[in-house]
Amino acid sequence: QKEVEQNSGPLSVPEGAIASLNCTYSDRVSQSFFWYRQYSGKSPELIMSIYSNGDKEDGRFTAQLNKASQYVSLLIRDSQPSDSATYLCAGSNSGGSNYKLTFGKGTLLTVNP
Amino acid sequence: GAVVSQHPSRVICKSGTSVKIECRSLDFQATTMFWYRQFPKQSLMLMATSNEGSKATYEQGVEKDKFLINHASLTLSTLTVTSAHPEDSSFYICSAKLAGGPETQYFGPGTRLLVL
Repeated sequence: QKEVEQNSGPLSVPEGAIASLNCTYSDRVSQSFFWYRQYSGKSPELIMSIYSNGDKEDGRFTAQLNKASQYVSLLIRDSQPSDSATYLCAGSNSGGSNYKLTFGKGTLLTVNP
Repeated sequence: GAVVSQHPSRVICKSGTSVKIECRSLDFQATTMFWYRQFPKQSLMLMATSNEGSKATYEQGVEKDKFLINHASLTLSTLTVTSAHPEDSSFYICSAKLAGGPETQYFGPGTRLLVL
């Protein structure tokens, strides 16, 4: 199993719908998790971080972490066309001291007006 | 807060020349910075981890003599692509981790390199 896996998509949702992005990870990546958004031609920007089991909400975004099942997800409520981007899931290497993040390949989300 | 800048944002150079890219943390100290490369429609590829005051740690397959990294201060890391060739053309992005903070990485805006 690759360390961080994402469905590459593309995922297409209508405006106003909930977009659900999922990510699974291996044992080597099990400390902290991050969701980044990357617009075409731009660098990634941090959306949310999550460290413990459960849900974490920030505005329209909710991150969910389930360490027993080794998955992390991102829900985007009331999706807007401006949310159209590639979403990158990343995890930190367990027990590592160099703080490296391992990124998934990203899921392309398109929100249709 | 947590703003990272890169300079230049775009560079075009001739094959065989060297190009230096700067990465600065503007409002925080970063003991650790990271350099990534991203080819079109592909994911981020970590090239190296840069620690202030020590040698960079390169990922497997990345030539340390070709991609020189210097992290001389808590707010500045530089990547020099030596003797650049067309296959080095890519989007180079740095990120920085807050000193003493969690693993969160804040990304710079990236440098687009085109080698002719």
